[in-house]
Amino acid sequence: VLTQSPATLSLSPGERATFSCRASESVFSYLAWFQQKPGQAPRLLIYDASNRATGIPARFSGSGSGTDFTLTISSLEPEDFAVYYCQQRYKWPPVTFGQGTRLEIK
Amino acid sequence: EVQMLESGGGLVQPGGSLRLSCAASGFTFTTYAMTWVRQAPGKGLEWVSSIADSNDGRTFYADSVKGRFTISRDVSKSTLFLQMSSLRVEDTAVYYCAKAGTGTDMVFHSWGPGTLVTVSS
Repeated sequence: VLTQSPATLSLSPGERATFSCRASESVFSYLAWFQQKPGQAPRLLIYDASNRATGIPARFSGSGSGTDFTLTISSLEPEDFAVYYCQQRYKWPPVTFGQGTRLEIK
Repeated sequence: EVQMLESGGGLVQPGGSLRLSCAASGFTFTTYAMTWVRQAPGKGLEWVSSIADSNDGRTFYADSVKGRFTISRDVSKSTLFLQMSSLRVEDTAVYYCAKAGTGTDMVFHSWGPGTLVTVSS
């Protein structure tokens, strides 16, 4: 089970955003992060805990291993306000997702 | 450019069947695993099913759809399918297909825009 916190994050453009994803047992580094905007498909941001996907800006970074993971956006841009999901692929099936964190404009 | 485009969604009665398609382009379809992920209205993401690359061919299902859904691929048409039967109200969702990695590597690199399935009487 993946548990994301907080459920909602209220921040302003230019601020730093930190998202947490905790696994109920170790998933090693087999964790990914996705961004989803309303009416759109999810977009892969980070895979294997810390590798940025193709075309993802450097302000997005991931860290962690085992059971505790963090996604950081160093300085929020207006287009970053969305829902963020973590996903593990270590012990599958099933592939599992966290319940999501909504990033809203303060 | 990698692209996926889902089709086949619509309104179906409980107990009915539907076949979703996902037309893929921009990559060697046989080399990659493919996946279906769904999202119920206002809810989070739920993995549904995956098929390994063509060298492997294994299929995998979430418990919630096992025995009711079948994933397959037509390599000649670079198309992924999801045959859904015995549909339930709780299967109502947007269904996304996603390109995964090689073998059975479940990194979902690219996604289609999704197709909406509504199960209702």
